Amino acid sequence: NAGVTQTPKFQVLKTGQSMTLQCAQDMNHNSMYWYRQDPGMGLRLIYYSASEGTTDKGEVPNGYNVSRLNKREFSLRLESAAPSQTSVYFCASSAHRGSYGYTFGSGTRLTVV
Amino acid sequence: QKEVEQDPGPLSVPEGAIVSLNCTYSNSAFQYFMWYRQYSRKGPELLMYTYSSGNKEDGRFTAQVDKSSKYISLFIRDSQPSDSATYLCAMRFDGGSNYKLTFGKGTLLTVNP
Repeated sequence: NAGVTQTPKFQVLKTGQSMTLQCAQDMNHNSMYWYRQDPGMGLRLIYYSASEGTTDKGEVPNGYNVSRLNKREFSLRLESAAPSQTSVYFCASSAHRGSYGYTFGSGTRLTVV
Repeated sequence: QKEVEQDPGPLSVPEGAIVSLNCTYSNSAFQYFMWYRQYSRKGPELLMYTYSSGNKEDGRFTAQVDKSSKYISLFIRDSQPSDSATYLCAMRFDGGSNYKLTFGKGTLLTVNP
């Protein structure tokens, strides 16, 4: 059982480049989330999707866009990467509106130079 | 005032020690309380999950919630080097449309052999 799968695991971008982080879950969860984790800042919610067909902004949405492609997949796009977006990005999913907590992926380490 | 406060540590203990990790929160509407463990360069994984007040025990781990003091704790008995990780508390409201988790920033624990 794979759980939550994120690709790629590592990426280096130049300032101004774009990229899409992919996330897929195989647990039939309704809700999916994108977080970034920075030293001293903890986990900060970027965007979330309560169910297929809906997306909402979280705490730090600027510079990002998301797509809930289907129930399994939730992608995060950086249109024009900036050094401030250097971070570790985690995708998570949950069943029943967050009951029983979230299941996280293993993360994408992104460096923008 | 941040909604959830957690001492970042670092906390260093000898093997076999009892470890106490804590979080305080300001919003009395929080009803679900969780502890996540995050190993270095990995995603957070759910460790303990409790609803409302009281204690919950799972092997060497005990989660405690004191809603009157807005204080939650995680106790680890007979700590092992494999317990070395960052521990994040998380909490959410009960019901409604706001089911997103609010995380503490995490406490880094090292258990020395």
